[in-house]
Amino acid sequence: TQLLEQSPQFLSIQEGENLTVYCNSSSVFSSLQWYRQEPGEGPVLLVTVVTGGEVKKLKRLTFQFGDARKDSSLHITAAQPGDTGLYLCAGVINQGGKLIFGQGTELSVKP
Amino acid sequence: EPEVTQTPSHQVTQMGQEVILRCVPISNHLYFYWYRQILGQKVEFLVSFYNNEISEKSEIFDDQFSVERPDGSNFTLKIRSTKLEDSAMYFCASRVDRVNYGYTFGSGTRLTVV
Repeated sequence: TQLLEQSPQFLSIQEGENLTVYCNSSSVFSSLQWYRQEPGEGPVLLVTVVTGGEVKKLKRLTFQFGDARKDSSLHITAAQPGDTGLYLCAGVINQGGKLIFGQGTELSVKP
Repeated sequence: EPEVTQTPSHQVTQMGQEVILRCVPISNHLYFYWYRQILGQKVEFLVSFYNNEISEKSEIFDDQFSVERPDGSNFTLKIRSTKLEDSAMYFCASRVDRVNYGYTFGSGTRLTVV
């Protein structure tokens, strides 16, 4: 069974602080995707990382894929209240494209 | 921006009844999926569909579940005899051909079995 452990599950910080969310697995993924999910909505893709060691930036968000393609991190710089939401990591195992999701990180950024 | 459309947004059904959840994937996408999310739990894979047949299914996707793409645009999930534990958000997703492209998810159908 492939598992993707995401941590922390809950994070409450003040506006302007930095934070990092981690996803770890013993499985190797062909790619790792990060999504954001609003209440009552489907996940919305933020980024896909494919190559071991790859780093992608999306404004204040930095995504990294581990060298062995088993883990990934999301770093947010100078968090803002608009960053509040549920962040999900999801790994792709095979060509069929099944996604294995982490438990999610509920982020709250207080003004 | 192209969207994956799901209907209905909410469905309440009695235990033992059949339900059909409908999805219209993005028109040039080739791979289609159903996922579900029980309240407070992870998003779980149910089934993937490509070239008019199931390519992979999870242990959850037992004989009570079936999928169809009847007319080249709609993609449906049928639950034949619903159980209380089928209550969840059901998400349809689609993607283009390359596996490392991201997926587009629909807004989901909240199914409540009473």
